[in-house]
Amino acid sequence: AQKITQTQPGMFVQEKEAVTLDCTYDTSDPSYGLFWYKQPSSGEMIFLIYQGSYDQQNATEGRYSLNFQKARKSANLVISASQLGDSAMYFCAMREGQDDKIIFGKGTRLHILP
Amino acid sequence: NAGVTQTPKFQVLKTGQSMTLQCAQDMNHNSMYWYRQDPGMGLRLIYYSASEGTTDKGEVPNGYNVSRLNKREFSLRLESAAPSQTSVYFCASVPPNEETQYFGPGTRLLVL
Repeated sequence: AQKITQTQPGMFVQEKEAVTLDCTYDTSDPSYGLFWYKQPSSGEMIFLIYQGSYDQQNATEGRYSLNFQKARKSANLVISASQLGDSAMYFCAMREGQDDKIIFGKGTRLHILP
Repeated sequence: NAGVTQTPKFQVLKTGQSMTLQCAQDMNHNSMYWYRQDPGMGLRLIYYSASEGTTDKGEVPNGYNVSRLNKREFSLRLESAAPSQTSVYFCASVPPNEETQYFGPGTRLLVL
C-alpha cells in the first residue's frame, strides 16, 4: 500500500496566487515526520519544510507553510504569493517512528504562469 | 566542505555489466540513503544505513547491494545491470538530531 500519496501529477497556477499541493500519508506509528522537497529542472533536491507529528503548530518557512491535519493524515504544502521560480517538482516524504527510513511520494509538477 | 558527493555523474553500461556508484559526505552524518528516480515514480528508496556497518533494505532493493564500511562513504553496487535499472540515482545523508536530508547531485545511469 502506498504510504505517501500525492494526487496531483501536475498543476498550473497564475503568478502571485497561493498554491496548495496535496499530500496524504498512511502510518499507524504515533511518531513520524513529514517533509517537503523541491526539485527544479536542474535536478537538485532542495529541502523546504519539516513537520513532526507531535509539533503543536503548523510549520512555516518563509513563503512555505505546511497545513498539517493529523486526523485526516494530510500534510499539504502551501506556497503563498507564487513566483515563476517556484515552477518545479515537489515531493512529500515521511519518516516513521524512530526508524531512519524516509520514503517519498510520486511528486507534483507545479507550473507557475506569468 | 563539499556536502554530499556522488561519482560518477553519468554512466552507460551494457546489460550484465557491473558497477559501483560511490557516495561520500564530509559532514559527519550518521544516516545515509540511496534512492532511484524514474519519471512518474518519484524517489524510491533502495537501501539505507543508520550508521557505519549497518544497512537496511528500502522499497526496491532487488538487483542492488550496498556497503557502508565507514561513516563517510555509502556505495551502491549493481552486480549485473539490467535495462530496468536505467534511472537517476540519488544519495542522501541526515545529520544526527536533525531531520533534513542533504542530497547529492545524482548519477544518471543508462543500461543498454
